[in-house]
Amino acid sequence: QVQLVESGGGVVQPGGSLTLSCAASGFTFSTFSMHWLRQVPGKGLEWVTSVSFDGDHPKYADSVKGRFTISRDNSKDTLFLQMNSLRGDDSAVYFCARGISGTHFDSWGQGTLVTVSS
Amino acid sequence: QSALTQPASVSGSPGQSITLSCTGTKNDVGSYNFVSWFQQYPGKSPKLILYDITERPSGVSSRFSGSKSANTASLTISGLQGEDEADYYCCSYARSGTWVFGGGTKVTVL
Repeated sequence: QVQLVESGGGVVQPGGSLTLSCAASGFTFSTFSMHWLRQVPGKGLEWVTSVSFDGDHPKYADSVKGRFTISRDNSKDTLFLQMNSLRGDDSAVYFCARGISGTHFDSWGQGTLVTVSS
Repeated sequence: QSALTQPASVSGSPGQSITLSCTGTKNDVGSYNFVSWFQQYPGKSPKLILYDITERPSGVSSRFSGSKSANTASLTISGLQGEDEADYYCCSYARSGTWVFGGGTKVTVL
């Protein structure tokens, strides 16, 4: 079955950097687009970024554009999110999700918590 | 990338039907049929329950149905059950490959 496992979350100071990973299994990772989404605990969901199956054509939410970079290693079935210049409002649980046909995302990971605090 | 508008809460008695709305703009819901709905229990990851407005993933109960009119999408839960008590989020494709979510609706089964 499809499995997505995020890792790399933690506490980081404002202005700092962090890289999240999402290990995929149970499907042919290299043929699917992938997304990162986030959720402040107790609040709503926010789409953050996506990348096409081949790693091209990344898209970003305005709130992270220029600070976050999505990438993938299809040889290792892993998705990444490089986060720079982190701010307090970036604190959230970050989920990776699989994209389907450009119309929706189906499977989600369990999430990894990022806390930006001094 | 403005958020879609959902009511904060909707409640109903077991067996009743309830409808959750999701209002966007001509730049998202109004222009694309790529509206999906997610169910989320506290502390859990979101689960896809509808996509492309009306389509149900395998294994999702037929009590969940969707529709769209102009800039508003709707999720109807028929025969409300205790297990339906959760948060529900709508999501729409927006212009230029981006996505937008609603703020979520908390469903309470009375």
